[in-house]
Amino acid sequence: AQSVTQLGSHVSVSEGALVLLRCNYSSSVPPYLFWYVQYPNQGLQLLLKYTTGATLVKGINGFEAEFKKSETSFHLTKPSAHMSDAAEYFCAVSPLNTGGFKTIFGAGTRLFVKA
Amino acid sequence: DTEVTQTPKHLVMGMTNKKSLKCEQHMGHRAMYWYKQKAKKPPELMFVYSYEKLSINESVPSRFSPECPNSSLLNLHLHALQPEDSALYLCASSQVDRKVTQYFGPGTRLLVL
Repeated sequence: AQSVTQLGSHVSVSEGALVLLRCNYSSSVPPYLFWYVQYPNQGLQLLLKYTTGATLVKGINGFEAEFKKSETSFHLTKPSAHMSDAAEYFCAVSPLNTGGFKTIFGAGTRLFVKA
Repeated sequence: DTEVTQTPKHLVMGMTNKKSLKCEQHMGHRAMYWYKQKAKKPPELMFVYSYEKLSINESVPSRFSPECPNSSLLNLHLHALQPEDSALYLCASSQVDRKVTQYFGPGTRLLVL
């Protein structure tokens, strides 16, 4: 079965510092990959996704992620953290054999941004 | 319009009550989902409807009963719930394709007493 591992349940950075949230997936065939953000008391919002093509994907709010097949990774980065980036971030995969419906979420990483 | 709306925002119910959660979207999406999210956990898929037909039921207890009356509406009927069912219930919708984005509603926070 496919799985998604997010390294670090909590990440703390200073405002203006680099944000790096790690995500690894388990699959011999790359699934489609997503990063979602969830602000307190809200639903999830898509930051970016990788389906095919360019392996460096740019998303909203200055975030980007790079798909590395050799490392089965899809880490999320942002050059300069802002206080408003504090939220829960979920990496997710859409496996090949589920018709697109069974999105599998990682456990989530809580990002804290210090002033 | 890229919004999924859910009502109510909050719900408190006793274990003998019957209540319903509602979800609506007007994006023309033909796939709709119910997720359950416990505190500090990722969303867990409960049900998926595709073209108004139940496509996936993730072995959810029968005290949860989904309904998709038309392509824009999704309901979740609740009956005889347990305190451990207290959670945030998220609705989402998407086109019927595995690479497309799921659009999530803000959720209904349910407390079962």
